[in-house]
Amino acid sequence: GENVEQHPSTLSVQEGDSAVIKCTYSDSASNYFPWYKQELGKGPQLIIDIRSNVGEKKDQRIAVTLNKTAKHFSLHITETQPEDSAVYFCAAFFSPKARQLTFGSGTQLTVLP
Amino acid sequence: DAGVIQSPRHEVTEMGQEVTLRCKPISGHNSLFWYRQTMMRGLELLIYFNNNVPIDDSGMPEDRFSAKMPNASFSTLKIQPSEPRDSAVYFCASSYSRSVDTIYFGEGSWLTVV
Repeated sequence: GENVEQHPSTLSVQEGDSAVIKCTYSDSASNYFPWYKQELGKGPQLIIDIRSNVGEKKDQRIAVTLNKTAKHFSLHITETQPEDSAVYFCAAFFSPKARQLTFGSGTQLTVLP
Repeated sequence: DAGVIQSPRHEVTEMGQEVTLRCKPISGHNSLFWYRQTMMRGLELLIYFNNNVPIDDSGMPEDRFSAKMPNASFSTLKIQPSEPRDSAVYFCASSYSRSVDTIYFGEGSWLTVV
């Protein structure tokens, strides 16, 4: 089955610095890679996603890159702010098997003021 | 737009009691997912429905767990009898199958079994 590895498990950065979270996946058939942000006491919220036909996608301070050959993808947050502090999950969608997302283990990001 | 609505938000129950968690997916979505989140195992898919039909329940841990979706706007996840190791956050999520993969989560039901 699909396996998604996520690193690091914790990450602390100074406000204004950049944060990078990396994930690798095992199944080359995976074609969709979303990132979720989970704040304390809340459900995961989709913040950005990328499909296998593109290499990079940006949305304001957030960007995601995908390297299909190496089977890894990364989340980049620039100009970090305290409200970016949360747990971030990467995921891979393994199609055509039972339409489910396989999640990474999560990264606790702390932005220090 | 209303998101995925789950109830109860918090539940504390005694071991052996029946627990029923409820979910209302986003209107128009025809796929519904139940996930469990724990510190040890992260986010695990328990079961998912497409057009109210269970498609994959391989993640359901034991026969004590059951899920139903009697109509497009309601689903339940039942644990009977509950055990302390069932303590976790249970998330319901939904998506529109034509967009295939964009899944939206509810706020979760925090279950504690004592």
